Amino acid sequence: EVQLVESGGGLVQPGGSLRLSCAASGFTFSDHYMDWVRQAPGKGLEWVGRTRNKANSYTTEYAASVKGRFTISRDDSKNSLYLQMNSLKTEDTAVYYCARGDSGYDLQSGNYYYYMDVWGKGTTVTVSS
Amino acid sequence: SYELTQPPSVSVSPGQTARITCSADALPKQYAYWYQQKPGQAPVLVIYKDSERPSGIPERFSGSSSGTTVTLTISGVQAEDEADYYCQSADSSGTYSVVFGGGTKLTVL
Repeated sequence: EVQLVESGGGLVQPGGSLRLSCAASGFTFSDHYMDWVRQAPGKGLEWVGRTRNKANSYTTEYAASVKGRFTISRDDSKNSLYLQMNSLKTEDTAVYYCARGDSGYDLQSGNYYYYMDVWGKGTTVTVSS
Repeated sequence: SYELTQPPSVSVSPGQTARITCSADALPKQYAYWYQQKPGQAPVLVIYKDSERPSGIPERFSGSSSGTTVTLTISGVQAEDEADYYCQSADSSGTYSVVFGGGTKLTVL
């Protein structure tokens, strides 16, 4: 069974740090791009960032709202994805989901495609004093 | 910045057809994707590449594209379809960052 399980959430004070983990199973983790997506209480989905696979040099991208504060990494030997969150703000309070990315170029249309086809259940991060 | 616009809410009676739209300037060049999210649950992909349906998703879910608008159609809506629906695309500016629409709450009356 394809599965993603997040962990590491909790209560942290503003300005603090937290590291989230995502354990993958049931698929070849090293082949895939992986994303973090968050959802603040009562709000919509917000993309946090992604890491590409080894074939694409593990490059990362981030949303403007977290760039410079959050770092995404992965350990393919452990089938694990990580999100290091520093300088946390109250507005970072959210449920954080890891998701598996599927990407490529559709030769017929010439369009690039990128979507997330498997999601974890999420872990809750609360930033509050 | 690149934005996807969805109506905040759509309401339909059971058995009717629900249509949820998503619009943005870049959509003709980028595919759109749809996710269903029920309360307290993770999102689930229901449509990819504008109109493809993942395995396990009921046939009553379909997607279409016209110009700068994509539409998620749910035919013969059932009570279990009540959920939030989010469209998603990729910013075509270079890094293909992911962009989500604001979400649409589907209410089954």
